Amino acid sequence: VQLVQSGAEVKNTGESLQISCQASGYNLNYYWIGWLRQMPGKGLEWLGIIYPRDSDTRYNPSFQGHVSISVAQSSNTAYLQWRSLRASDTAIYFCARHTPQTGTDFWGQGTLVTVFS
Amino acid sequence: DIVMTQSPLSLAVTPGEPASISCRSSQSLLHSDGNNYLDWYLQKPGKSPQLLIYLGSNRASGVPDRFSGSGSGTDFTLKISRVEAEDVGIYYCMQDLQMAYTFGQGTKLDIK
Repeated sequence: VQLVQSGAEVKNTGESLQISCQASGYNLNYYWIGWLRQMPGKGLEWLGIIYPRDSDTRYNPSFQGHVSISVAQSSNTAYLQWRSLRASDTAIYFCARHTPQTGTDFWGQGTLVTVFS
Repeated sequence: DIVMTQSPLSLAVTPGEPASISCRSSQSLLHSDGNNYLDWYLQKPGKSPQLLIYLGSNRASGVPDRFSGSGSGTDFTLKISRVEAEDVGIYYCMQDLQMAYTFGQGTKLDIK
């Protein structure tokens, strides 16, 4: 099992951005894929989670409306998107495989997003 | 949201000695299916987090048996029977009973 994330990004406030997470080595239909944020020197926060089989998506209310999560089954890739970045979006973003019954057992390497105001 | 509170926030342990981290949730994590939806993770410096324990007490694949999880309802504990140098990092508990899943503040483990 591997989750490989896209590379670091440097953006300005107000710009849009999409980062990706390509999964391999397992059947995407049976596991949720989640996105998490880690701001500089801080702890972990869930942004949301998607079930690729039917695209059922659940958002953390704190982030709903600011980010969107999607998946392309054809390429086994999950996406995290912003339409208008803020300086406070500067963080490392992780994707991860999850089921409540087995935990968040595989993680991507993280994508550093830096947003300048 | 369910609030997760860990203690202590930091500890320094001599190699070979035990360590214990407590995690308390603002509401019960015991589901009607009998499982406690509480996981433990370790984030080593500069790395992605790794799963240690799921459903309160189940060790993840490849996790050494010196790590154990216990507890039910709102009170949980992670124990390391004999700390090794490779165990340094930040330990997080996390509830996955209800979205938004939430983490504790983290407990930083250092070696004396």
